[in-house]
Amino acid sequence: GAGVSQSPRYKVAKRGQDVALRCDPISGHVSLFWYQQALGQGPEFLTYFQNEAQLDKSGLPSDRFFAERPEGSVSTLKIQRTQQEDSAVYLCASSLEFSFGETQYFGPGTRLLVL
Amino acid sequence: AQKVTQAQTEISVVEKEDVTLDCVYETRDSTYYLFWYKQPPSGELVFLIRRNSFDEQNEISGRYSWNFQKSTSSFNFTITASQVVDSAVYFCALSAAGGTSYGKLTFGQGTILTVHP
Repeated sequence: GAGVSQSPRYKVAKRGQDVALRCDPISGHVSLFWYQQALGQGPEFLTYFQNEAQLDKSGLPSDRFFAERPEGSVSTLKIQRTQQEDSAVYLCASSLEFSFGETQYFGPGTRLLVL
Repeated sequence: AQKVTQAQTEISVVEKEDVTLDCVYETRDSTYYLFWYKQPPSGELVFLIRRNSFDEQNEISGRYSWNFQKSTSSFNFTITASQVVDSAVYFCALSAAGGTSYGKLTFGQGTILTVHP
């Protein structure tokens, strides 16, 4: 079956622009996660959803970051007024159930470069 | 708070050598899961294994094996007879049940494995 897909795969933005990153989880997966991966680092948690409910957004670095999953399927991570420090790979993952031990399956990521 | 440490930043081996990737974790929770993921140059994190804190049995899957030792808080990964296709970044990750960490994966810094022909 289809895995997690993300679009765009690459995004170049000028400092100050707004960007929107899309994630299509595996069909039927209840939980959806966003992670940020800086160059040479491990992914770091941003936020997660159970269906359409955003249960934890403690990892979002600032109020310029906003995520939504209005119908409990596709999710969008929006970054307003991008800054150079936002340059990173943004990874989306989904899991079948909402449980701390559930395996998370990752998409290919969106590589964001802010100039 | 959870923490995962992968002390080896980079490992370079020649094909057919065995290689072990170390992972040490910290958590106050008694119930947790440990994971290994592989990240090839394409960038996608590929799930390799999941192990819960109550199951210390070692596991073997083909050329891959995992050694989980709660006494030393370690979950090491060994590739036997390495191949060029094993070249990737490998991440160890932890998911614990307690408090604000519920559901999140805490990753180590990753180990870059290069297998030379």
